[in-house]
Amino acid sequence: GAGVSQSPSNKVTEKGKDVELRCDPISGHTALYWYRQSLGQGLEFLIYFQGNSAPDKSGLPSDRFSAERTGGSVSTLTIQRTQQEDSAVYLCASSLGTFASTDTQYFGPGTRLTVL
Amino acid sequence: AQTVTQSQPEMSVQEAETVTLSCTYDTSENNYYLFWYKQPPSRQMILVIRQEAYKQQNATENRFSVNFQKAAKSFSLKISDSQLGDTAMYFCAFRRGSNSGYALNFGKGTSLLVTP
Repeated sequence: GAGVSQSPSNKVTEKGKDVELRCDPISGHTALYWYRQSLGQGLEFLIYFQGNSAPDKSGLPSDRFSAERTGGSVSTLTIQRTQQEDSAVYLCASSLGTFASTDTQYFGPGTRLTVL
Repeated sequence: AQTVTQSQPEMSVQEAETVTLSCTYDTSENNYYLFWYKQPPSRQMILVIRQEAYKQQNATENRFSVNFQKAAKSFSLKISDSQLGDTAMYFCAFRRGSNSGYALNFGKGTSLLVTP
């Protein structure tokens, strides 16, 4: 595709429900990243994929958060038993995965999650 | 851990004027990359400019330039001939150059308003 796409654009859920957020990276990009943007914490790294494996999950805030990537393409971020503090914009980015200085991370428009 | 500090939460500049956004960072690494990203109200993060730490020459991209002071760990962004479309949040970001992590560490951001 032309850019990174994310769905849904907005998600409102009730506390305690599970949610799935989807990211479609740019075709051919092997690296994929999830970030969370909230008012209090700014932009935080959550997890990074190289292909289908996740070498770095250090930013996942709790075991309620998980992510997977299939076929080296689409990724899903799942939040179980959502809490109000999970309310944020979840951003996905992808890059070629060369990790050279020019390996730019391209971001999607994000999913705004609101937990009531 | 690397920290990125943007000390100006909000700034305002008149159209056609020049504005400088500040960024400092803390790291013990010698090889790393620095970035400025722009986030307009559409939420799409867009790369403005990048700088490799091993390069002494300051990066420039059209109206955007940086003042990279490695010893001072400072990385400011200068926007010349400001345009209304430059109104956005600007984030300074740090990325390690080693193989052990490719996540971006972001500052809290500076909200820039360009006025007519």
